[in-house]
Amino acid sequence: LAKTTQPISMDSYEGQEVNITCSHNNIATNDYITWYQQFPSQGPRFIIQGYKTKVTNEVASLFIPADRKSSTLSLPRVSLSDTAVYYCLVGDVGYSGAGSYQLTFGKGTKLSVIP
Amino acid sequence: GAGVSQSPSNKVTEKGKDVELRCDPISGHTALYWYRQRLGQGLEFLIYFQGNSAPDKSGLPSDRFSAERTGESVSTLTIQRTQQEDSAVYLCASSLNGPPLNTEAFFGQGTRLTVV
Repeated sequence: LAKTTQPISMDSYEGQEVNITCSHNNIATNDYITWYQQFPSQGPRFIIQGYKTKVTNEVASLFIPADRKSSTLSLPRVSLSDTAVYYCLVGDVGYSGAGSYQLTFGKGTKLSVIP
Repeated sequence: GAGVSQSPSNKVTEKGKDVELRCDPISGHTALYWYRQRLGQGLEFLIYFQGNSAPDKSGLPSDRFSAERTGESVSTLTIQRTQQEDSAVYLCASSLNGPPLNTEAFFGQGTRLTVV
């Protein structure tokens, strides 16, 4: 399994850029890196996904160095509504030989945005 | 529907009773996942369906837990003889194709199960 390590929590003031780094030293050649966001009392929501270098969408940017052993989710100018838990996933994991895989979520990073 | 729908949204049951949790995935999504999330914890994988088959049941915590999917659509997670440690939010997700992870998964709002 490609294990991921993230900080347990982070605090940020409104309007600041937030960078959350995920370590995944055992990432395999075919693995992608995916980030999900979860608000209280809701299911996780897909944010961004990448394989290498940089990916940007309307919500965030994802930076992946050449060795792919880590990745950084960047949230520009956070607001109070960005307070959530952010999960880093690396797959594929759990291959059982029958073409099945798991989405495996770690403990995530709890981001608290302060006014 | 537009998203993944789960029912009931809340369920309170007595210890020892059986419960059924339902998931309606997004139409056309072949992959379906069940997760469990205890209060303040991360998501714990339970089972994965590709079509109506469950090639990966490795996350089911005990033989009290079972799940099925029919018509490549609705899935039911059944917990028999519920215990207090089964109290959690049970989340269902679906994706257009199966893994690997370069496929976005859409989650439902979850069913909050409380065993008293």
